[in-house]
Amino acid sequence: GDSVTQMEGPVTLSEEAFLTINCTYTATGYPSLFWYVQYPGEGLQLLLKATKADDKGSNKGFEATYRKETTSFHLEKGSVQVSDSAVYFCALSPLGYQKVTFGIGTKLQVIP
Amino acid sequence: NAGVTQTPKFRILKIGQSMTLQCAQDMNHNYMYWYRQDPGMGLKLIYYSVGAGITDKGEVPNGYNVSRSTTEDFPLRLELAAPSQTSVYFCGVGGGDYGYTFGSGTRLTVV
Repeated sequence: GDSVTQMEGPVTLSEEAFLTINCTYTATGYPSLFWYVQYPGEGLQLLLKATKADDKGSNKGFEATYRKETTSFHLEKGSVQVSDSAVYFCALSPLGYQKVTFGIGTKLQVIP
Repeated sequence: NAGVTQTPKFRILKIGQSMTLQCAQDMNHNYMYWYRQDPGMGLKLIYYSVGAGITDKGEVPNGYNVSRSTTEDFPLRLELAAPSQTSVYFCGVGGGDYGYTFGSGTRLTVV
């Protein structure tokens, strides 16, 4: 079956540091890939997405590129802020299907 | 603003009690989902619906029931609450290439 693998964390960074959160997946065919963000006490919000190989999703300074050859969708940001502290979930949606498979979530803590 | 509304936000239940978690959307979307979120486990799909009158089981349906009589509402029913159902529950709408819109969640504790 489909699966998404990401580290649980926490990842602790100083403000303005570079962020990478790794995400790899297993799926048949060519799924759509997503990153969701969950701020403390809130629900998940869609952060960015990519629907085909080599697509780059971007939003709020975050980026992720759909790499079919390495089955990866790593999240990056050049300079994190304290306000980026949250839990980040990688997810996939199989082609032509609606149900989504989520990773376990990676907690990011940014310290001033 | 279009969105997904979940009620209640918090609830404490005693073992064996029952309750209904409400989810309402104003997005006019056919697809709705219930997930539970447990620490270190990500989100697990409980039930989903592809339209009014149509529901199906997800990964972890035991102990839950759903109904979908209208496009707008997708309530989740717990009949005999157990401590294993202590979790945060999220209702989602949409899916496919567009991703989900989630409600703000219901935090349930069973004691």
